[in-house]
Amino acid sequence: QVQLVESGGGVVQPGRSLRLSCAASGFTFSSYGMHWVRQAPGKGLEWVAVISYDGSNKYYADSVKGRFTISRDNSKNTLYLQMNSLRAEDTAVYYCAKDLETWGQGTLVTVSS
Amino acid sequence: DIVMTQTPLSLSVTPGQPASISCKSSQSLLHSDGKTYLYWYLQKPGQPPQLLIYEVSNRFSGVPDRFSGSGSGTDFTLKISRVEAEDVGVYYCMQSIQLPYTFGQGTKLEIK
Repeated sequence: QVQLVESGGGVVQPGRSLRLSCAASGFTFSSYGMHWVRQAPGKGLEWVAVISYDGSNKYYADSVKGRFTISRDNSKNTLYLQMNSLRAEDTAVYYCAKDLETWGQGTLVTVSS
Repeated sequence: DIVMTQTPLSLSVTPGQPASISCKSSQSLLHSDGKTYLYWYLQKPGQPPQLLIYEVSNRFSGVPDRFSGSGSGTDFTLKISRVEAEDVGVYYCMQSIQLPYTFGQGTKLEIK
């Protein structure tokens, strides 16, 4: 069955960087677009970024554009989110999702000094 | 950006009774390909969101048939024919016709 496992979250100071990973299994990873969606503590869902099946197209929410980079390695069945210049408002659980159908359990990113 | 507005924001339902959630979009979600890109998710406590309904009215794999979706254009509804205890959580609608994809505020369902 489809499995998505996020990793890389943690506590980071404002202005620093963090890279999230999402290991995929149970489906042909290279055939699907992949998304990152985040959820601030006690808040709703916010779409962050999407990457096409081959990595050729990428789109971002305005709130992260220029600071976050989505990428993928189809040879490793892994999705990434490089997060730079982190801010307190980036504190959230970050979910990866296959075509917005199936979601991982999420990884918590806390931006705090 | 397309704004998604859900009502009510919370509801309390007796097991076995029906429930209904409304979602309105600020623009039509009907694409030129004929599909309407409106999704419904349920986020159970402590879990990630799970897809219930895609393209307005199609139940995702494994979703019980007590869940149904309807609507068109800018007005959509999720109905639960007979609420069960396992249906508690927050329900979200989402549009994927236009980037950035946007979610409704969420509707919290609790059991009486």
